[in-house]
Amino acid sequence: KAGVTQTPRYLIKTRGQQVTLSCSPISGHRSVSWYQQTPGQGLQFLFEYFSETQRNKGNFPGRFSGRQFSNSRSEMNVSTLELGDSALYLCASSLGDREEQFFGPGTRLTVL
Amino acid sequence: EDQVTQSPEALRLQEGESSSLNCSYTVSGLRGLFWYRQDPGKGPEFLFTLYSAGEEKEKERLKATLTKKESFLHITAPKPEDSATYLCAVQAGGNTPLVFGKGTRLSVIA
Repeated sequence: KAGVTQTPRYLIKTRGQQVTLSCSPISGHRSVSWYQQTPGQGLQFLFEYFSETQRNKGNFPGRFSGRQFSNSRSEMNVSTLELGDSALYLCASSLGDREEQFFGPGTRLTVL
Repeated sequence: EDQVTQSPEALRLQEGESSSLNCSYTVSGLRGLFWYRQDPGKGPEFLFTLYSAGEEKEKERLKATLTKKESFLHITAPKPEDSATYLCAVQAGGNTPLVFGKGTRLSVIA
């Protein structure tokens, strides 16, 4: 059974640009969550989508947005990039509530 | 506000030297507590889910336990390949997101 896949794996952008990251969940999983991981803050929740609807949102500015498609694939977008957005962005999928989340390998974003 | 505190931040063990990692939490109505292992540059790998106080789960050299205030991850006779960061997360009632601790960085020396 294929795991969670994320593309691209590495990305270098400059301040002010925007970026789109993609996540394909495990087949059959309908919930997709996104996290930002930095050395200082650890794993911080961005948002969660379930059946194309945003169910939860973390405490991040409106520059961070996401969506989920009918096949459960998800994308997140960051506009007007800042240096502080440099991080590992992780996607996780699960069958539903109270179920363990399975993580992808992450996208390493570097903002110069 | 739901909070998770992991200790110690870093732990260095000799191969075969057993120890425990701690995860203390405050949450309104625990729905589940999750343990993950993360290797450098990779996504977290799921290890265990614990749902109620008194529950225990085991996998190879790892054993996770849960009380009403904390969880322990016991590592018995660790090997160098057990070196990783171990993350703890909790989920409160309802459709709430996971809240992660900052992890314990474990190094096992041969």
